[in-house]
Amino acid sequence: AQSVSQHNHHVILSEAASLELGCNYSYGGTVNLFWYVQYPGQHLQLLLKYFSGDPLVKGIKGFEAEFIKSKFSFNLRKPSVQWSDTAEYFCAVRGYNKLIFGAGTRLAVHP
Amino acid sequence: DAGVTQSPTHLIKTRGQHVTLRCSPISGHKSVSWYQQVLGQGPQFIFQYYEKEERGRGNFPDRFSARQFPNYSSELNVNALLLGDSALYLCASSLVSLTDGEKLFFGSGTQLSVL
Repeated sequence: AQSVSQHNHHVILSEAASLELGCNYSYGGTVNLFWYVQYPGQHLQLLLKYFSGDPLVKGIKGFEAEFIKSKFSFNLRKPSVQWSDTAEYFCAVRGYNKLIFGAGTRLAVHP
Repeated sequence: DAGVTQSPTHLIKTRGQHVTLRCSPISGHKSVSWYQQVLGQGPQFIFQYYEKEERGRGNFPDRFSARQFPNYSSELNVNALLLGDSALYLCASSLVSLTDGEKLFFGSGTQLSVL
């Protein structure tokens, strides 16, 4: 069965620090990969997605992710975080008519 | 344009009761999915409906059921509530069934507390 692993459950950073959140998936075929963000009190929002093509995907708010097929990874990065990036981040892979989510990473950014 | 809307936003029930959660998809979207998000975990897939037909079902007991109406809105029903059913229930919509290239838009969820 497909699965998604997010390695860091809680991350604490200071503003301007660089961010990398790990995500590994188990499915070996063609994959659609997503990062969603959930700001406090808000609904899940799509940050970025990978379907095919350039493995370096750029999303909203300065986020990017790199699909590395050989490592089954889709890590999320941001060069310089802001206090407003405080949120929970979910990696997901598309299964048959559904998304399979990781457990999420809570990011806290301190001023 | 309105996003995915869910009602109610919060609900408190007692064990053994049943509950009905409602979802209206984004206008023009024909597919609705339901997810359960327990505190500290990622959303878990419950159901997907497309054109009023069930297209996918997650690993949930038969106490969970859903349907989609001709206007593409949807209801999730849970019978004989257990304490473990306490969670945030998310509805998501997409234009078509979740195939390659499609993405989901999520509502804010219904927070269900079972006492």
